[in-house]
Amino acid sequence: AQRVTQPEKLLSVFKGAPVELKCNYSYSGSPELFWYVQYSRQRLQLLLRHISRESIKGFTADLNKGETSFHLKKPFAQEEDSAMYYCAPPSSNTGKLIFGQGTTLQVKP
Amino acid sequence: GAVVSQHPSRVICKSGTSVKIECRSLDFQATTMFWYRQFPKQSLMLMATSNEGSKATYEQGVEKDKFLINHASLTLSTLTVTSAHPEDSSFYICSAVGQSVISNQPQHFGDGTRLSIL
Repeated sequence: AQRVTQPEKLLSVFKGAPVELKCNYSYSGSPELFWYVQYSRQRLQLLLRHISRESIKGFTADLNKGETSFHLKKPFAQEEDSAMYYCAPPSSNTGKLIFGQGTTLQVKP
Repeated sequence: GAVVSQHPSRVICKSGTSVKIECRSLDFQATTMFWYRQFPKQSLMLMATSNEGSKATYEQGVEKDKFLINHASLTLSTLTVTSAHPEDSSFYICSAVGQSVISNQPQHFGDGTRLSIL
């Protein structure tokens, strides 16, 4: 069965510090992975996806098949990055998302 | 683009009442919609997958007679919580995907519905 693990429930950093939100997955086959973000009082929205290899709001995520990881990184955190972040691979045949437990990122001034 | 509207945003009702939640894709046709439940400070738990014109697929442990899902058109899916009880109080979220081959497509989420059963 597919599984995704986000080991940190809360990550607290100071503004300007680097950020890495961890995500490990167990998946057979070549995974597509997403990072979703939920800002306070807003809907869940797509932050970035592995297949597009883009940087959104300064965040990047590299798929490491050897370590089965898809960690989310940003070199300099901003206060507006404070939110709940979810890592999620979709089921290959149904498209349903398997959400990790989520990590709350708290960026302090 | 890709806006999903969920209504109502909040509902408070008495135990035993049935509550209907609507999920609409406003600017695209949603072949598949998903319904999630989220408890405070926890992750989203998938309840069911809804495909237009066919029966919903429920996740293990989700009572299909309790949570009725209808996806009668390409822009609307409804979740009805039948004979709701206080333990059904939760935050319910829908999402929609517009493509027929959906495994690589991101889901677009509604704002969620806060259901409180007294």
